[in-house]
Amino acid sequence: QLQLVESGGGVVQPGRSLRLSCAASGITFRASGFHWVRQTPGKGLEWLAFIWYDGSKRYYADSVKGRFTISRDDSRNTLYLQMDSLGDEDTAIYYCARDLQVGTLDYRGQGTLVTVSS
Amino acid sequence: EIVLTQSPATLSLSPGERAILSCRASQSVRNDLAWYQQKPGQAPRLLIYDASNRATGIPARFSGSGSGTDFTLTISSLEPEDFAVYYCQQRSNWPPFTFGGGTKVEIK
Repeated sequence: QLQLVESGGGVVQPGRSLRLSCAASGITFRASGFHWVRQTPGKGLEWLAFIWYDGSKRYYADSVKGRFTISRDDSRNTLYLQMDSLGDEDTAIYYCARDLQVGTLDYRGQGTLVTVSS
Repeated sequence: EIVLTQSPATLSLSPGERAILSCRASQSVRNDLAWYQQKPGQAPRLLIYDASNRATGIPARFSGSGSGTDFTLTISSLEPEDFAVYYCQQRSNWPPFTFGGGTKVEIK
């Protein structure tokens, strides 16, 4: 049974950085691609980033391109999201999800809350 | 970027009634559309993929239809646990993958 556990959220000042983690279990991690998605009351669900199963390709939403970096460590069965130059607009709940067939998402975590505030 | 518009924003129904939710795309997404259910404090759950295929473990009362720009999620007879927010999402033209704004199904 797939489990995804997001962590690393918290309160951070504008302009600072934060790294989110997503620990996976119950699957062959290295065979799966993964996504990060966030949710805010005002903007709903917003897809952020996608990493190919082998890490060879990465895609980003325009809103985070150049500021966020998706990566993976197959030895740790863990997905990451490095978030730099954070702004108020980045306040949200962040979810990781497994990719089922290039763009169909399988969410299994509870998300992690990021609050950008001075 | 493909924009998905869901309607209605809120659907007020009683248990046992049929729910019909709509998702319209700003351009054709073929059948590359999924539906998710989200309950408060939880992550979205995949219900339907490729417009009409039920995900593993999803009850038969959930069905999806449509192709191109117009899609429908139907819940044939609402159970108490079905009152939630439903989102559509396309994977036809990406990046980005995009979501609709959601339809809240509430108890009347």
